[in-house]
Amino acid sequence: DIVMTQTPLSLSVPPGQPASISCKSSQSLLHSDGKTRLFWVLQRPGQSPQFLIYEVSNRFSGVPDRFSGSGSGTHFTLKISRVEAEDVGVYYCMQNRQLWTFGQGTKVEI
Amino acid sequence: EVLLVESGGGLVQPGGSLRLSCAASGFTFSRNWMNWVRQAPGKGPEWVANINQDGSEKYYVDSMKGRFAISRDNGKNSLYLQMSSLRAEDTAVYYCVGGNYWGQGTLVTVSS
Repeated sequence: DIVMTQTPLSLSVPPGQPASISCKSSQSLLHSDGKTRLFWVLQRPGQSPQFLIYEVSNRFSGVPDRFSGSGSGTHFTLKISRVEAEDVGVYYCMQNRQLWTFGQGTKVEI
Repeated sequence: EVLLVESGGGLVQPGGSLRLSCAASGFTFSRNWMNWVRQAPGKGPEWVANINQDGSEKYYVDSMKGRFAISRDNGKNSLYLQMSSLRAEDTAVYYCVGGNYWGQGTLVTVSS
């Protein structure tokens, strides 16, 4: 099984300041199709999770451009350029290189 | 608008069975892999199972193999999860995930 490890597990960020979350996978997420199977997921308080980013750095429709993803192989980063109140929640990295597994989550507070 | 609406959750005794359903709309259901993901109270998401477009490929997390069965009906734009031999640790909100969207979830509580 591919294990996903996130750091930090919690983050308190003043509004308008940047935030960064790291995610490491126990195996490379580069698939034989050439795509790296790494997603970022946000779960706001009391809501269902939602996808933010796919294949490391591609934002889903409607996701603000203050969210950006980077990385390759086994090391990945989600950055929020300027945190806003609506960004509060738990962020998970997720791989679907082999089935699906999620990181432990990073709780972001303002 | 994409909608994934789960149903069928509820309270069940240990050892019991339950069938979850997910009604999909707003996207071409038959062209998408579909997944079930669960989230125990206060925990992170845990992938349960997925199924390919025509139902010929199915994958499960090891701990649920033999107890859970995923299926779909493309004619009804519906996804199913048949759960049996339920245990207390299966208590969770079960989400239907596909087309890059998540449903609102249905709560399954296993308790005597």
